[in-house]
Amino acid sequence: SQELEQSPQSLIVQEGKNLTINCTSSKTLYGLYWYKQKYGEGLIFLMMLQKGGEEKSHEKITAKLDEKKQQSSLHITASQPSHAGIYLCGAPSNAGGTSYGKLTFGQGTILTVHP
Amino acid sequence: GAVVSQHPSWVICKSGTSVKIECRSLDFQATTMFWYRQFPKQSLMLMATSNEGSKATYEQGVEKDKFLINHASLTLSTLTVTSAHPEDSSFYICSARDRWSTGNRAGNTIYFGEGSWLTVV
Repeated sequence: SQELEQSPQSLIVQEGKNLTINCTSSKTLYGLYWYKQKYGEGLIFLMMLQKGGEEKSHEKITAKLDEKKQQSSLHITASQPSHAGIYLCGAPSNAGGTSYGKLTFGQGTILTVHP
Repeated sequence: GAVVSQHPSWVICKSGTSVKIECRSLDFQATTMFWYRQFPKQSLMLMATSNEGSKATYEQGVEKDKFLINHASLTLSTLTVTSAHPEDSSFYICSARDRWSTGNRAGNTIYFGEGSWLTVV
């Protein structure tokens, strides 16, 4: 079965600093989803990457997919306290079909941003 | 705003009773929805795939008679925890795939509900 490894497991940064979270898969990636979660709450969709080499940005968050290396990175520029939370990467188990959407998740990265 | 909604957000039930959690896609149809369980400070574990109009597909180790899933319409899936016990206490969360691009939302985006906290006493 597919496994996703996130690094680092936790991260503490000062407001205004940049940071990167990595997600590495043990198997071929058919896409990669990034979510943010606050403990005990639902997952907020951040970004979806579907093609190798794809890079997407939204506000101060940029995500990239390196299909060959079977990994993705999430970069936050000029972090703010509002960025604090748990970041999860999720990978679909297949390339398509009606059952597409079953995600395997990494263990999460806990981000703390000090003002 | 939320595109997948769960209800209730939290529920407390007595041991031995059953409790139902609903998952709705609000502005798109979902032939497939997914149910996950999350233990404290851990990641999400897939429990089952809910298929509209047919039986759910359960992951290995998940008891299908204990966690009943019904996907009666294209916008609603329900998870019923039967004969609940304290060890079933957990955070349950569902997801649904929006297959089609709509406005500024790309197709195949997977949205999650707000989650439901279940406490069995």
